[in-house]
Amino acid sequence: GAVVSQHPSRVICKSGTSVKIECRSLDFQATTMFWYRQFPKQSLMLMATSNEGSKATYEQGVEKDKFLINHASLTLSTLTVTSAHPEDSSFYICSATPPAQTHETQYFGPGTRLLVL
Amino acid sequence: QKEVEQDPGPLSVPEGAIVSLNCTYSNSAFQYFMWYRQYSRKGPELLMYTYSSGNKEDGRFTAQVDKSSKYISLFIRDSQPSDSATYLCAMKGTGYGNKLVFGAGTILRVKS
Repeated sequence: GAVVSQHPSRVICKSGTSVKIECRSLDFQATTMFWYRQFPKQSLMLMATSNEGSKATYEQGVEKDKFLINHASLTLSTLTVTSAHPEDSSFYICSATPPAQTHETQYFGPGTRLLVL
Repeated sequence: QKEVEQDPGPLSVPEGAIVSLNCTYSNSAFQYFMWYRQYSRKGPELLMYTYSSGNKEDGRFTAQVDKSSKYISLFIRDSQPSDSATYLCAMKGTGYGNKLVFGAGTILRVKS
């Protein structure tokens, strides 16, 4: 149990385009999902907390108009990188916590590698 | 000073060795401690989770927490080449909501 999927696993796009990444909890409902960014050989950096039915909470320094988050259902959150630029190239990972647990544990998706040319 | 300190390594050991991975932290508000394993180009996988001082064992893995010293460890017995990965410690506590605070990750290489 506690499986989280992401789609796509890899995306290459041109500078200036928008890219949508999906995060799904496959066998549980998640009222809260998290979006992280990871640069090569660095740890995970929390970008935002995605709450079902309400606005996402962004970490300091993360542009909410650049990284649009929509948590439309209890099993799906999406991250849209708008007007992507080469510096947005990174590994984006989402996580979710099963509701039966008390949020100490997060289960991560496999990640989406974004390359902006 | 970072809230969570973790030596990035790389740590290279021969197959069969006992591996010790460590993290220190500065904030006594951290109450929950986790270890994740991350293979290259993959998402982190939860290995161990604990919330009290002492040891917790799961197969070849033992997580140790010493809250008085603000020090946590992960021990891997009989290490295998398949254990080669980056190991991330993560913590959560009061005042952080649901957020996890991660260490930098330690790269482990087990040589056959």
